[in-house]
Amino acid sequence: KNQVEQSPQSLIILEGKNCTLQCNYTVSPFSNLRWYKQDTGRGPVSLTIMTFSENTKSNGRYTATLDADTKQSSLHITASQLSDSASYICVVSQPPPGGGNKLTFGTGTQLKVEL
Amino acid sequence: DAGITQSPRHKVTETGTPVTLRCHQTENHRYMYWYRQDPGHGLRLIHYSYGVKDTDKGEVSDGYSVSRSKTEDFLLTLESATSSQTSVYFCAISESTSGVYNEQFFGPGTRLTVL
Repeated sequence: KNQVEQSPQSLIILEGKNCTLQCNYTVSPFSNLRWYKQDTGRGPVSLTIMTFSENTKSNGRYTATLDADTKQSSLHITASQLSDSASYICVVSQPPPGGGNKLTFGTGTQLKVEL
Repeated sequence: DAGITQSPRHKVTETGTPVTLRCHQTENHRYMYWYRQDPGHGLRLIHYSYGVKDTDKGEVSDGYSVSRSKTEDFLLTLESATSSQTSVYFCAISESTSGVYNEQFFGPGTRLTVL
């Protein structure tokens, strides 16, 4: 069964600190892996997208890594800010076998940044 | 929210009543999707559309129907709402499904409560 598992389920850190969120997946075949940020009451917003040939990608203070061999990804947040408080969702995409690609979503890591 | 609006944003209804949710886009993207988001689950695809009048089922389509009469509008209908359909519903759009960087953009969501 295709699955995306994220850890930890929730995390509280102090402003200015770094943190790393984990994503393990069993989805196959694999097209790309995405990290989304979802603020409370809003829709998910894409942070990064990586193919199997990319093992790191950055977007400002967000850096995602991908190990396609072990089927693991991480999202590292540097110098956290209060505005980073959100749910971070790992999503794995499969190639389109007949037109439409399929996305498998993780349940997210709920991050809270405190003063 | 990438030129996507959803209406209504909040709705409370009673079991057995019909409900229609609307997604409107201004991006002229070909593909449109309806997802539901529930605690403990990742987003799950209900239905999607790959063009005007062209739709297909997702993984949790039972109890839902969709219609797309114009490129910009995608309607989700619950013919007879049940309490299990209490959820947050997200619409998403994408320009294509091919290419490894095909991006889905999400709307702000509709919170539906079925009493």
